[in-house]
Amino acid sequence: DIQMTQSPSTLSAYVGDGVTFTCRASQSISIWLAWFQQKPGRAPKLLIYDTSKLQSGVPSRFSGSGSGTEFTLTISSLQPDDFATYYCQQYNNSPFTFGGGTKVEIK
Amino acid sequence: QVQLQESGPGLVKPSETLSLTCTVSGGSISSYYWSWIRQPPGQGLEWIGYVYFSGSTDYNPSVKSRVTISLDTSKKQYSLKLTAVTAADTAVYYCASFSGGYRNYFDYWGRGILVTVSP
Repeated sequence: DIQMTQSPSTLSAYVGDGVTFTCRASQSISIWLAWFQQKPGRAPKLLIYDTSKLQSGVPSRFSGSGSGTEFTLTISSLQPDDFATYYCQQYNNSPFTFGGGTKVEIK
Repeated sequence: QVQLQESGPGLVKPSETLSLTCTVSGGSISSYYWSWIRQPPGQGLEWIGYVYFSGSTDYNPSVKSRVTISLDTSKKQYSLKLTAVTAADTAVYYCASFSGGYRNYFDYWGRGILVTVSP
């Protein structure tokens, strides 16, 4: 199985801050990576797929980059609605696997 | 716009079989791969497996010996059966779908259903 490792596990930031967090794969997954946002009691929501493509309706302050084994999700200016947990998911190989999540908290 | 809705018992006894159903609306049953994903309380996400219109399936090795996912096209439903459950199977279970090919990212999700394994 491909292991996905996210860092940091928790990030504290102010509204308006730019933040970046990382997802590392245990082996190359090319660009086959998605990012999800999850709020308490809700299902995950797809933000980005194919490493950098924005899902329809997702604000442009979200962006993704990377390839191979190292990937990043950047939020250019945190909004109150962005405080949530973010998960990466690889879909290069079965079984599809998720990272452990990065929780973004209000500072 | 695909919509997914999970249903089934919220409490299952240890050693018994967990059975859930996902009802699909707003999309063609033949156009997607239909998956189950679970999330233990306070933890991360685990993909369980999928079924495709053709009947093909793929399962996570972590549960492969205990899981069956099947599709009822006439009812536009698919189901999850997980045998010999333990407390470790307590989780929110989501149905989710992806388009296949290299589009294996989960773009549609149900709201999730909490299943507790307890005597």
